[in-house]
Amino acid sequence: EDKVVQSPLSLVVHEGDTVTLNCSYEVTNFRSLLWYKQEKKAPTFLFMLTSSGIEKKSGRLSSILDKKELSSILNITATQTGDSAIYLCAVEARIQGAQKLVFGQGTRLTINP
Amino acid sequence: DVKVTQSSRYLVKRTGEKVFLECVQDMDHENMFWYRQDPGLGLRLIYFSYDVKMKEKGDIPEGYSVSREKKERFSLILESASTNQTSMYLCASSLWQEQYFGPGTRLTVT
Repeated sequence: EDKVVQSPLSLVVHEGDTVTLNCSYEVTNFRSLLWYKQEKKAPTFLFMLTSSGIEKKSGRLSSILDKKELSSILNITATQTGDSAIYLCAVEARIQGAQKLVFGQGTRLTINP
Repeated sequence: DVKVTQSSRYLVKRTGEKVFLECVQDMDHENMFWYRQDPGLGLRLIYFSYDVKMKEKGDIPEGYSVSREKKERFSLILESASTNQTSMYLCASSLWQEQYFGPGTRLTVT
């Protein structure tokens, strides 16, 4: 059974801290790993990773995939209160020719001023 | 910008009622998905569709059915709502890997 596990499930830090969120997976036919940020409504796309060791960056956020360890991390530096959200990790699998995402439980990140 | 809309933001239904949740996307995407999101469980796939009139079961299809009569519209049906179907329901569409989500429908079954 395909499985994605995120840790920690919940994290509270102070503004300015750096955080690292973890995602590990067990899926057949791995194709890519995606990170989403969910504030009050719909998850919004952050990154898609397909190759090991290549860091993707967007401002203070960065992410990297390790296909040997079947895992990924999402780093946020100099956190701000606006980074408070649920961060979702998802892994793409292919079933019957269609793309399917398997999601982790999410990490609820709270940034205190 | 891709837009995915869902028919209701909040819905309250009684046990045993038939419930329809509608999702519409405006980007001509082939793939559409229905998830439910519960605390501590993340997003779980209920059903998905990769073409008109095509549907595939996800991880938790029991108690649900779907309909895709037109490419832009994907409906989730609860034939007889039960209290354990109280949840946030999210619809998504995609062309390739990245999925675009609707705002969600928070359904309460009493």
